[in-house]
Amino acid sequence: AQSVTQPDIHITVSEGASLELRCNYSYGATPYLFWYVQSPGQGLQLLLKYFSGDTLVQGIKGFEAEFKRSQSSFNLRKPSVHWSDAAEYFCAVSGFQKLVFGTGTRLLVSP
Amino acid sequence: NAGVTQTPKFRVLKTGQSMTLLCAQDMNHEYMYWYRQDPGMGLRLIHYSVGEGTTAKGEVPDGYNVSRLKKQNFLLGLESAAPSQTSVYFCASSFGLAGNEQFFGPGTRLTVL
Repeated sequence: AQSVTQPDIHITVSEGASLELRCNYSYGATPYLFWYVQSPGQGLQLLLKYFSGDTLVQGIKGFEAEFKRSQSSFNLRKPSVHWSDAAEYFCAVSGFQKLVFGTGTRLLVSP
Repeated sequence: NAGVTQTPKFRVLKTGQSMTLLCAQDMNHEYMYWYRQDPGMGLRLIHYSVGEGTTAKGEVPDGYNVSRLKKQNFLLGLESAAPSQTSVYFCASSFGLAGNEQFFGPGTRLTVL
């Protein structure tokens, strides 16, 4: 069965600094991988997804993620964080019939 | 195009009461899902549907029932609410299963006293 681990519960980054959120997955076959963002009181919005091909995936709002099969990782990055990026971020892996989410990483942005 | 909508947005129940949460989507998606979100546990799948008239159990189905009588609607029922069902409930829909983006509703915050 597929599973996702997000080892960081909270991360605090200064505005303008770079960001990397970690995600490790477990899945027997080639995974479909996703990053979603949830702003306070809102539903989830898709940032980006990986199916196959280029291992560096570009998403919305300046985010990107890199798929590394050898490390079973799909880390999310942004070169310069804005205060509006403060939110909770979820990594997810898709099997045949369902999407399995990690427990999320809450990003705090300091001035 | 409203996407995925959920009603109600908030609800407070007493233990043992029943209620139904309504999810509607206008994207003609075949697949619909109900999740619950609890602090530190991410989103967990309750039930899902792969088409009108079909439902299937997810990871945490106990205490919930669902129905998909119309393609655009997916109902989540609690027959006898318990405090353990206090949570935020999200509905989602997608065009297909594996690899397809799921579109989420804004959520329903349910408190069971």
